[in-house]
Amino acid sequence: AQTVTQSQPEMSVQEAETVTLSCTYDTSESDYYLFWYKQPPSRQMILVIRQEAYKQQNATENRFSVNFQKAAKSFSLKISDSQLGDAAMYFCAYRSSSGGSNYKLTFGKGTLLTVNP
Amino acid sequence: NAGVMQNPRHLVRRRGQEARLRCSPMKGHSHVYWYRQLPEEGLKFMVYLQKENIIDESGMPKERFSAEFPKEGPSILRIQQVVRGDSAAYFCASSPGLAVSYEQYFGPGTRLTVT
Repeated sequence: AQTVTQSQPEMSVQEAETVTLSCTYDTSESDYYLFWYKQPPSRQMILVIRQEAYKQQNATENRFSVNFQKAAKSFSLKISDSQLGDAAMYFCAYRSSSGGSNYKLTFGKGTLLTVNP
Repeated sequence: NAGVMQNPRHLVRRRGQEARLRCSPMKGHSHVYWYRQLPEEGLKFMVYLQKENIIDESGMPKERFSAEFPKEGPSILRIQQVVRGDSAAYFCASSPGLAVSYEQYFGPGTRLTVT
């Protein structure tokens, strides 16, 4: 079974600075998807960014980018120019792209990001 | 296009009562997934349904929990005889198809508190 580990329960960053959230995962599969979700205090789950494992190029969405290291099974999220609205719980998630259960998302426990003005 | 709707947003039940959580998927979506988030945990898969069919309920407790997605109307997650350990946030997600390229869109969740 796949597992997702987020080793940083909490992180903080100064407004306008850059912060990196860590995520590692364990899988025996070669083809899969990885995601970062944001959960603000409203609890709505918002997809921030996704990465297909077969793509070598790291995904980027505006101020959000990932560092995907397939061999190391590492998938970190970098937030540049942090804004107060970035404060939230961030979850890393895994989804297989083949097999009978490729609809299941497996989540880490989350990292609570605080942005200081 | 309205997003995934869940109601109620907050639900308080006494031990032993029944809880009914509703999820209306996005328009055009026929695949529904339920996840549970216990305090200080990530979301965990419970059940996957298509219209009138339960496809995978492997993540759902065998007793007291049931789910349905009728031909007409919202998907329902039903918890009978609730206990304190059922207190959690329950999220519904939907997608237009099964292909992994389809994103799952999440609703705002229902926070269940059992007193």
